[in-house]
Amino acid sequence: RKEVEQDPGPFNVPEGATVAFNCTYSNSASQSFFWYRQDCRKEPKLLMSVYSSGNEDGRFTAQLNRASQYISLLIRDSKLSDSATYLCVVTGGGGSYIPTFGRGTSLIVHP
Amino acid sequence: DTAVSQTPKYLVTQMGNDKSIKCEQNLGHDTMYWYKQDSKKFLKIMFSYNNKELIINETVPNRFSPKSPDKAHLNLHINSLELGDSAVYFCASSLSRVETQYFGPGTRLLVL
Repeated sequence: RKEVEQDPGPFNVPEGATVAFNCTYSNSASQSFFWYRQDCRKEPKLLMSVYSSGNEDGRFTAQLNRASQYISLLIRDSKLSDSATYLCVVTGGGGSYIPTFGRGTSLIVHP
Repeated sequence: DTAVSQTPKYLVTQMGNDKSIKCEQNLGHDTMYWYKQDSKKFLKIMFSYNNKELIINETVPNRFSPKSPDKAHLNLHINSLELGDSAVYFCASSLSRVETQYFGPGTRLLVL
């Protein structure tokens, strides 16, 4: 089983749609969880940190389920500018602080 | 001011050459990283330094050697470049080992 797994997509959705991404991780002792966004030919940029209590930032909601070892990202009212690759990142656990990136989920929002 | 900067942005070179990529962060962070993103866009950690000490050294050929002269700088030297080294190399920094990482713009390396 890969350490961090994401559905690569692409997810092709119309403007205004709601779309959800999941990411599973294998290390139950993992400590930190993030969603990053990467635009074509650009560096990854933090979208949200993910906490056990869940967190929301405008149209974006992130959830962590430690029991099932997955994190999720929900995007409501999709905009054309949301088109990008969304990367799940899991760090640490058991004395290891190695950050592991998922392969990313591609989102295409069309008019 | 750019938080994490890398030089050069583009690097085209011949097989067998030796090259260096430089990274600087002005965020006052303790931890810095080097990542390789291959043609399939998979971002894989190579090295990490915390307060100038090497803490992560993933399975990377020993032709790759990182060097951290101080907390704000992490350089990557590559000896005897091979075709398979062609990729985008990203530098990143974070306040600590479990905090958010901030990435540089990347160095696009092409080995001919």
